[in-house]
Amino acid sequence: DGGITQSPKYLFRKEGQNVTLSCEQNLNHDAMYWYRQDPGQGLRLIYYSQIVNDFQKGDIAEGYSVSREKKESFPLTVTSAQKNPTAFYLCASSYTGQPTDVLTFGAGSRLTVL
Amino acid sequence: GQQVMQIPQYQHVQEGEDFTTYCNSSTTLSNIQWYKQRPGGHPVFLIQLVKSGEVKKQKRLTFQFGEAKKNSSLHITATQTTDVGTYFCAGNTRNTDKLIFGTGTRLQVFP
Repeated sequence: DGGITQSPKYLFRKEGQNVTLSCEQNLNHDAMYWYRQDPGQGLRLIYYSQIVNDFQKGDIAEGYSVSREKKESFPLTVTSAQKNPTAFYLCASSYTGQPTDVLTFGAGSRLTVL
Repeated sequence: GQQVMQIPQYQHVQEGEDFTTYCNSSTTLSNIQWYKQRPGGHPVFLIQLVKSGEVKKQKRLTFQFGEAKKNSSLHITATQTTDVGTYFCAGNTRNTDKLIFGTGTRLQVFP
């Protein structure tokens, strides 16, 4: 079945540590996205990529980094510079990255900083 | 910057009652999409509206795009417990290449 796989589902991290969240898709979509979800704030865009080896900052990119070395993969690193990293992180993909594209989401990764 | 607000933030209804969530943008939208996120789940696409004044129906769900393309609504007739979740609208303008998500409306249905 085609879809998006995020791992890990739950992650605990100590302050000062970097952590990388995995996102893999087998939908043959060109575009991939990372969103952060906090209670009562909806989804906020962290980074997005419309093509391999290229990505753009979203609205809240500070403290995060990404790479897009393969079409299928778009890992997100939450660095120690991110001041409030505890959140639910959602990866999504779309066919071409056009504004009218439908987003397909993964199941999410819940990060808790201790 | 562009903002998309949704009201209400929360809504509790008795099963069988109707429910409406409203989505309002500070700028004119090119299109609007609606997503549903079940508790503990991830957002799932419901529908997309593109034309001014457009109305689309999916069984008990009715979606509307305002004439000025600055607002949208989702109406659920005779809610069921399976309607529980958070409903998000998401839109973009001619000047942006990415969707802006609304703040979401969390619906709770009591049997």
